[in-house]
Amino acid sequence: GDSVTQMEGPVTLSEEAFLTINCTYTATGYPSLFWYVQYPGEGLQLLLKATKADDKGSNKGFEATYRKETTSFHLEKGSVQVSDSAVYFCALSDHTGRRALTFGSGTRLQVQP
Amino acid sequence: DVKVTQSSRYLVKRTGEKVFLECVQDMDHENMFWYRQDPGLGLRLIYFSYDVKMKEKGDIPEGYSVSREKKERFSLILESASTNQTSMYLCASSKSGTGKNYGYTFGSGTRLTVV
Repeated sequence: GDSVTQMEGPVTLSEEAFLTINCTYTATGYPSLFWYVQYPGEGLQLLLKATKADDKGSNKGFEATYRKETTSFHLEKGSVQVSDSAVYFCALSDHTGRRALTFGSGTRLQVQP
Repeated sequence: DVKVTQSSRYLVKRTGEKVFLECVQDMDHENMFWYRQDPGLGLRLIYFSYDVKMKEKGDIPEGYSVSREKKERFSLILESASTNQTSMYLCASSKSGTGKNYGYTFGSGTRLTVV
């Protein structure tokens, strides 16, 4: 079945550092890929998405590129802020008719001032 | 602003109680979902529904049931709560056919503690 693997956290960075959170997936066909963010005490919010190979999703300074050859969708940001501290989830939606997203285990990011 | 509203942010229930978690969306979405979130395990799908009175089991349906009598409301039912059902429960919705391209809208979650 489909699966998503994320790097384990927590990831601790200083403000203005470069961020990478790795995400790889296993799926049949051509899934759509998503990054969600969960701030403390809140539900998940869609951060960015990509629906086909080589697409780049971007939002709020975060970027991720859909790499079919490496089955990856790594999240990056050039300069993190304290306000980026949250849990980040990678997810996929397959195209075989199942109507639910498959999520990774989440990566907690802590940004220190 | 579009919303998915979960009726309670925090709940404490006793072992053996029947527990109802309510979720309402105001976006006229066909699809609704219940996930539970546990540290290190991410989100796991319990049940989902793609139409009124329709439901499908997710990955971990045991010990749960659902009800979808109206399009906007999707209820999760713990028939006899147990301590291993202590978790964060997240409801989500999506427009039919768009979830794979536009993702879901999530509620704020209900943190359930079973004692």
